[in-house]
Amino acid sequence: QKEVEQNSGPLSVPEGAIASLNCTYSDRGSQSFFWYRQYSGKSPELIMFIYSNGDKEDGRFTAQLNKASQYVSLLIRDSQPSDSATYLCAAPTGGGNKLTFGTGTQLKVEL
Amino acid sequence: GAVVSQHPSRVICKSGTSVKIECRSLDFQATTMFWYRQFPKQSLMLMATSNEGSKATYEQGVEKDKFLINHASLTLSTLTVTSAHPEDSSFYICSARDLTQRGAIEPPQETQYFGPGTRLLVL
Repeated sequence: QKEVEQNSGPLSVPEGAIASLNCTYSDRGSQSFFWYRQYSGKSPELIMFIYSNGDKEDGRFTAQLNKASQYVSLLIRDSQPSDSATYLCAAPTGGGNKLTFGTGTQLKVEL
Repeated sequence: GAVVSQHPSRVICKSGTSVKIECRSLDFQATTMFWYRQFPKQSLMLMATSNEGSKATYEQGVEKDKFLINHASLTLSTLTVTSAHPEDSSFYICSARDLTQRGAIEPPQETQYFGPGTRLLVL
């Protein structure tokens, strides 16, 4: 079992819709979780982090964490074409010394 | 804040030469820096973890004699690809953790800030 799993996609949503990106993790010791966005040909950039069960909102982005189910998600409201990118979920592993990244979900927002 | 730079952004070299890539944290001190490699349409692959003043920890399968890492200060880590070959052509990305966030939860101390990456092409 991979430590951090994501559906590779692509996930296609129409402009203005809600995009829902999902991630599961295996290490119950992980306390905080990260979402990074990576545009094609660019390096990852941090969008959000979450460490408490429940929802955390930041603008159009909402991260959701359910530690009992070992599940993290990212919702993007009012999706824009500029949101088209690969979204990477990450969790600390190795005692927190490093982050393990999922393979990423490619999101395509269509006009 | 939390800006990480890399130099060069792009390099083309001949097979057999060595290439050095610099990673700098511009506005914070980095306890730990990480080096990743990413091939086209593939996921990030962690190569090594670099701590200031100590030897780097390499991931399984990464040749430490080929990928030399030096973390001479709290703001600079370098990756040297020795005797580069075409199969080493890739996108090399560094990231850094902020020293002042040690023990923090907002943002979490595990937060990594990425540099813009270096695209290496070995002919």
